[in-house]
Amino acid sequence: AQSVAQPEDQVNVAEGNPLTVKCTYSVSGNPYLFWYVQYPNRGLQFLLKYITGDNLVKGSYGFEAEFNKSQTSFHLKKPSALVSDSALYFCAVRVHSGYSTLTFGKGTMLLVSP
Amino acid sequence: DAGVTQSPTHLIKTRGQHVTLRCSPISGHKSVSWYQQVLGQGPQFIFQYYEKEERGRGNFPDRFSARQFPNYSSELNVNALLLGDSALYLCASSLAAGDNSPLHFGNGTRLTVT
Repeated sequence: AQSVAQPEDQVNVAEGNPLTVKCTYSVSGNPYLFWYVQYPNRGLQFLLKYITGDNLVKGSYGFEAEFNKSQTSFHLKKPSALVSDSALYFCAVRVHSGYSTLTFGKGTMLLVSP
Repeated sequence: DAGVTQSPTHLIKTRGQHVTLRCSPISGHKSVSWYQQVLGQGPQFIFQYYEKEERGRGNFPDRFSARQFPNYSSELNVNALLLGDSALYLCASSLAAGDNSPLHFGNGTRLTVT
């Protein structure tokens, strides 16, 4: 069975500072990893994905994520946080199969203060 | 292009009733998935349909059922509603089942069971 852990319920950062939202995963086989963001009363918006290739993946809105196979981690990062980045962030994993089923973490609330 | 659309946006039902939720995928997308998001948790996989056939089912009771129509839209049905069924129900579409393209989510249907 595959699983995702987001160890922090909430991350607080000041605007302009770098941010990191942590994610670790557990799968049998090669993982496909995703980050999504959710704003209040909205669905999930895709930010970025890792399928194969470079360990540093760049995505939407200036976000990037680093895949680390030895640590089974896929941390989300941004060099300079904006107040508008405040939202709920979900890490998700999928194992290649005939399906697109994602297993999500419980989410991390990011709060960026002015 | 229109994104994934879901209806209704909000719904209040009484225990024991049944409910039907609807989803229209992005034009050209042939796969539709349903997820349940309980407050404070990440989305949980319910079903995936591709080309009108069920391709995957999560750990949900038989009270939950779904189908996909020839135009690739989908319905999720829940019978004999329980208080614990109160959640945000998310529909997601993708080009195909099992590919690497990300899931695109709708804004969800907020179901409240009283």
